[in-house]
Amino acid sequence: QKEVEQDPGPLSVPEGAIVSLNCTYSNSAFQYFMWYRQYSRKGPELLMYTYSSGNKEDGRFTAQVDKSSKYISLFIRDSQPSDSATYLCAMRSQAGTALIFGKGTTLSVSS
Amino acid sequence: KAGVTQTPRYLIKTRGQQVTLSCSPISGHRSVSWYQQTPGQGLQFLFEYFSETQRNKGNFPGRFSGRQFSNSRSEMNVSTLELGDSALYLCASSLTTGQGDTQYFGPGTRLTVL
Repeated sequence: QKEVEQDPGPLSVPEGAIVSLNCTYSNSAFQYFMWYRQYSRKGPELLMYTYSSGNKEDGRFTAQVDKSSKYISLFIRDSQPSDSATYLCAMRSQAGTALIFGKGTTLSVSS
Repeated sequence: KAGVTQTPRYLIKTRGQQVTLSCSPISGHRSVSWYQQTPGQGLQFLFEYFSETQRNKGNFPGRFSGRQFSNSRSEMNVSTLELGDSALYLCASSLTTGQGDTQYFGPGTRLTVL
């Protein structure tokens, strides 16, 4: 079992839809959780950063962490064609410094 | 503030050759991490440098090596290239190596091994 599991998609939604992206993980030591967005032929761009459990909101984006279920989510409201990209979850423990990534979910938002 | 820069952006090499990739972190950042991204394996951690010292290393063969200079710039080297080394190599910088420090990625170097 991989440490971080993420459905690769692809996920196709119409403009304006609410998008839900998810990751599950097995290592209970993970404390820091991130979501990155990666456009084709670009490096990952940090979207959201959350420590431990709880919710965090930034504009149209909401990140949720449920450590009891080892499950994290990213919600995108009012999705736009410009949101079409690959979304990567990443996490790290307090002891280690390496980011452990999911394989990414490819999202396509059609106008 | 300028972001993370990586050079070159694209490289084509043949099997058996070696290659050196360069990364300049965000000004003031002292930690540099390297990742390999492939369609099959996703993003995998190679190593991290802080103050010219390797602090952490991923599960890659010894053909993959790196170093960091006093100005925090970093290079990674891959010797005796194999076809499977074809990938996007990403560099990320952060202020320190603290667990909470966020990592900012460069655009990557796309390496093709023929």
